[in-house]
Amino acid sequence: DAKTTQPPSMDCAEGRAANLPCNHSTISGNEYVYWYRQIHSQGPQYIIHGLKNNETNEMASLIITEDRKSSTLILPHATLRDTAVYYCIVRVGVGNTPLVFGKGTRLSVIA
Amino acid sequence: DTAVSQTPKYLVTQMGNDKSIKCEQNLGHDTMYWYKQDSKKFLKIMFSYNNKELIINETVPNRFSPKSPDKAHLNLHINSLELGDSAVYFCASTGRTLKTFFGQGTRLTVV
Repeated sequence: DAKTTQPPSMDCAEGRAANLPCNHSTISGNEYVYWYRQIHSQGPQYIIHGLKNNETNEMASLIITEDRKSSTLILPHATLRDTAVYYCIVRVGVGNTPLVFGKGTRLSVIA
Repeated sequence: DTAVSQTPKYLVTQMGNDKSIKCEQNLGHDTMYWYKQDSKKFLKIMFSYNNKELIINETVPNRFSPKSPDKAHLNLHINSLELGDSAVYFCASTGRTLKTFFGQGTRLTVV
């Protein structure tokens, strides 16, 4: 079972920042926080991951609270192409255990 | 070049038939997976292979038989297809960076 809780849906105006929250209150010390998204019926796409420090890449920023019980994915300037289901997943950082998907958040970017 | 490729993209077949879906990754990853996404859009892990060895079989009916001829390939054979097997099947792979890459999916429709 997924160890994360996300809101089922969110809207965001095009050009504004999209902030997607995720709760993972039972996260273990060796578990990373991963974010993936699925656009329409394509294969899930990796966005970003982190352990405890905030992370930024060309797609997004990941803010993890100090107690690691929650995190926020930030898309700084959302576009219509960012409309997708976003999944927050926790997974151990060693070995290749599979990603366990929850229901995710359906983000709708509105013009 | 496509990192994880699946064939076919669409598969329509009658109940009772046997079919195969092929998956290849050119990323040099050691671990490959099969996921199933049903009509409710829930993504569930089916199998996990590491270096051609089966690691995880998530209570999938034994009509489903994965085969890994080498590290770069993980094929899925399904015997005696049933209506409930209709879904989108995703192949994925993970390497040392622990990022998982997904194929574009195979939409199986059993009629």
